[in-house]
Amino acid sequence: KAGVTQTPRYLIKTRGQQVTLSCSPISGHRSVSWYQQTPGQGLQFLFEYFSETQRNKGNFPGRFSGRQFSNSRSEMNVSTLELGDSALYLCASSLRDGGNIQYFGAGTRLSVL
Amino acid sequence: KNQVEQSPQSLIILEGKNCTLQCNYTVSPFSNLRWYKQDTGRGPVSLTIMTFSENTKSNGRYTATLDADTKQSSLHITASQLSDSASYICVVSAQGYSTLTFGKGTMLLVSP
Repeated sequence: KAGVTQTPRYLIKTRGQQVTLSCSPISGHRSVSWYQQTPGQGLQFLFEYFSETQRNKGNFPGRFSGRQFSNSRSEMNVSTLELGDSALYLCASSLRDGGNIQYFGAGTRLSVL
Repeated sequence: KNQVEQSPQSLIILEGKNCTLQCNYTVSPFSNLRWYKQDTGRGPVSLTIMTFSENTKSNGRYTATLDADTKQSSLHITASQLSDSASYICVVSAQGYSTLTFGKGTMLLVSP
């Protein structure tokens, strides 16, 4: 069974640009969560989608948005990029929301210059 | 405020030695606690998941313990190998919520 796939793996953008990251969950998983990981803050929760609906949202500005499609694939968008948005963005999928084990993708490394 | 604190921040041990990583949490009401291993440049991989009623759980050379009364967990690694070099992250889930509270991790380096 294929794991969680995130594309692209690496991305370089400049300040003010926007970026879209993609996540394909494990087949059959309906919950997708997004996290930002930086050396100083560790992993921080961005948002979670379940059956195309955003179920929870972390404490990030409105420049960070996401969506989930009917096939459970998810995208995350960051507009008006800032230097501080440079981070590893991780996507995790699980069968359901809540207490299920989450399976993480390898992440997208975003560098904002 | 829900928080997860891990100690030590980093640790260096010799190959073949044992080590124990600590996790203290204030998440309430408690649902479950997970330990993840994250290799450099990779996503986290689940090692163990424990609910309120479980005191200990093993996964090969990894053994996690949970004391729900003191809100503490530990991850014990036996006979360490070079491949154990990674960041170990403690994650706690609250009942009724879908979000998780992450610790900042312990960076373990196993030296030959």
